[in-house]
Amino acid sequence: DADVTQTPRNRITKTGKRIMLECSQTKGHDRMYWYRQDPGLGLRLIYYSFDVKDINKGEISDGYSVSRQAQAKFSLSLESAIPNQTALYFCATSVSDRADTDTQYFGPGTRLTVL
Amino acid sequence: DQQVKQNSPSLSVQEGRISILNCDYTNSMFDYFLWYKKYPAEGPTFLISISSIKDKNEDGRFTVFLNKSAKHLSLHIVPSQPGDSAVYFCAAPANAGGTSYGKLTFGQGTILTVHP
Repeated sequence: DADVTQTPRNRITKTGKRIMLECSQTKGHDRMYWYRQDPGLGLRLIYYSFDVKDINKGEISDGYSVSRQAQAKFSLSLESAIPNQTALYFCATSVSDRADTDTQYFGPGTRLTVL
Repeated sequence: DQQVKQNSPSLSVQEGRISILNCDYTNSMFDYFLWYKKYPAEGPTFLISISSIKDKNEDGRFTVFLNKSAKHLSLHIVPSQPGDSAVYFCAAPANAGGTSYGKLTFGQGTILTVHP
């Protein structure tokens, strides 16, 4: 079984709809992250959480919100989806607070299309 | 402002030859760098890393070189295999020189294609 799972894997929605992307992990890691990938832009950090009571904005948080329901669950919401939020979304986890051991483990991604 | 840049969107090499993927950075405070590999329909996976106190780190067919004066790192794959065909991202901790590690800033990625 995958250590980091994301649901749904694919979603097509319409402008203005509310969308929730879910991430679950069985790695027991405290730290969780949401990224989006766009062609030519690489991976950009949306939100991150270093524990259940800690939520932080990343570089592109506008238009998104998150919820850390438990250590193992971190959800990303688009309150009112717009077409430029069409992207590949990744959840990731990590365990360490040191850069030299802070390998991040990624889920398989959710491909979101906003029409 | 893109602090980690991969200026080559794609690279094509023949099986058995060397693949060299490049990455430039602007923040001299970065003290650690990572390379991730991504196959289609999968999430990125960690490949290899290097601390700024080193200039080389090797793991099997993969070697990363760091040139701090040029703010440049490269990933060498020797020999290249068709299974190495993927997107490669370089990354560095976003809070360079600070205490809050954990966030990574990624380059744009380079698509490597290894032809049989």
